[in-house]
Amino acid sequence: AQSVTQPDIHITVSEGASLELRCNYSYGATPYLFWYVQSPGQGLQLLLKYFSGDTLVQGIKGFEAEFKRSQSSFNLRKPSVHWSDAAEYFCAVGAGLTDSWGKLQFGAGTQVVVTP
Amino acid sequence: GAGVSQSPSNKVTEKGKDVELRCDPISGHTALYWYRQRLGQGLEFLIYFQGNSAPDKSGLPSDRFSAERTGESVSTLTIQRTQQEDSAVYLCASSLGTSPFFGPGTRLTVL
Repeated sequence: AQSVTQPDIHITVSEGASLELRCNYSYGATPYLFWYVQSPGQGLQLLLKYFSGDTLVQGIKGFEAEFKRSQSSFNLRKPSVHWSDAAEYFCAVGAGLTDSWGKLQFGAGTQVVVTP
Repeated sequence: GAGVSQSPSNKVTEKGKDVELRCDPISGHTALYWYRQRLGQGLEFLIYFQGNSAPDKSGLPSDRFSAERTGESVSTLTIQRTQQEDSAVYLCASSLGTSPFFGPGTRLTVL
């Protein structure tokens, strides 16, 4: 069975500092990996996804993630955070089957707080 | 529409009552998903519709939960005899062969 672990429940970071959010997955085959962001009162927004190819994936809002098969990880990074990056971030894994792209297993989320 | 819409945005009900939650997917999206998000937790998959295929109900937590979809359009999630543990945000998503787009959710509170 697939599973996703986000080890950090809560992270506080200063505005302008770098940010890294950890995600570890367990999956028997090649995983399809996603990062979503959820801001207060808003729905989930896709930041980036990895299906295959280059293991360094660029997303929206200046985020990137690196797939490391040997470590079963898909960590999210941003070089310099903005106050607007304060939100909850979810890592998700899916089978990527053509008839069930959206059937995903989500991590518990990491709450990011940005301080001035 | 431009995105996935859900109604109502908030629903407060009494324990034991039935509730219906509605989802309008993005036009043309053949796949529709329901998820549940309990307070402080990640999303739990509930059910998935793809075209005219039989729905994947593997995530429904009990037989009190059911969902229907009219063609490739609106979907309704019904919870019968609601319990306090059903309190959560219910999220709908739709997709067309790619990563899903999520709606804003319906916050359900069972008193």
